[in-house]
Amino acid sequence: GENVEQHPSTLSVQEGDSAVIKCTYSDSASNYFPWYKQELGKRPQLIIDIRSNVGEKKDQRIAVTLNKTAKHFSLHITETQPEDSAVYFCAVMNYGGSQGNLIFGKGTKLSVKP
Amino acid sequence: DSGVTQTPKHLITATGQRVTLRCSPRSGDLSVYWYQQSLDQGLQFLIQYYNGEERAKGNILERFSAQQFPDLHSELNLSSLELGDSALYFCASSVEPGGGYGYTFGSGTRLTVV
Repeated sequence: GENVEQHPSTLSVQEGDSAVIKCTYSDSASNYFPWYKQELGKRPQLIIDIRSNVGEKKDQRIAVTLNKTAKHFSLHITETQPEDSAVYFCAVMNYGGSQGNLIFGKGTKLSVKP
Repeated sequence: DSGVTQTPKHLITATGQRVTLRCSPRSGDLSVYWYQQSLDQGLQFLIQYYNGEERAKGNILERFSAQQFPDLHSELNLSSLELGDSALYFCASSVEPGGGYGYTFGSGTRLTVV
């Protein structure tokens, strides 16, 4: 089955700096790659996603890049703010496949220091 | 409010007992997914239903079972509970089995086994 590795497990940055979180996956048939943000005690919320036919996608301060050949994708957060502090999860899906469920990485705890 | 409703929000029970967690998907969503999130752990996929039928199983214990009813709500049954079953249980829903547009998560049920 699919295996998703996420690094780093914790990340501490100063306010205004950039943060990068990386994920690798094993199934070359995977074609949908969302990122979720989970604040303490709350539900995971989708913040950005990318499909396999696109190499990069941006939404204001966040961006995701995908390298299908190398089977890895990354979340980039620029100009970090204290409210960006949360746990971030990458996920992978074989959209249209027989199962179609998301497999999550173990998460990255991001701390943004004022 | 995400539109996915989970009840109860908190549950405290003793080892050996049985509990039922309930999930009502977002209006129009036919697929329901259950995930377990233990302390400092990621989101472990348990089981997926689509329009009343089981579509995929993940790391779900034999002591656990689930079903999706004709009105599309789903229940996750946990029996012979152990201390290690203490976790946050999330339900998510999507329009179609593969999602493709990400999942919408409920607020979760926090289960404490004592």
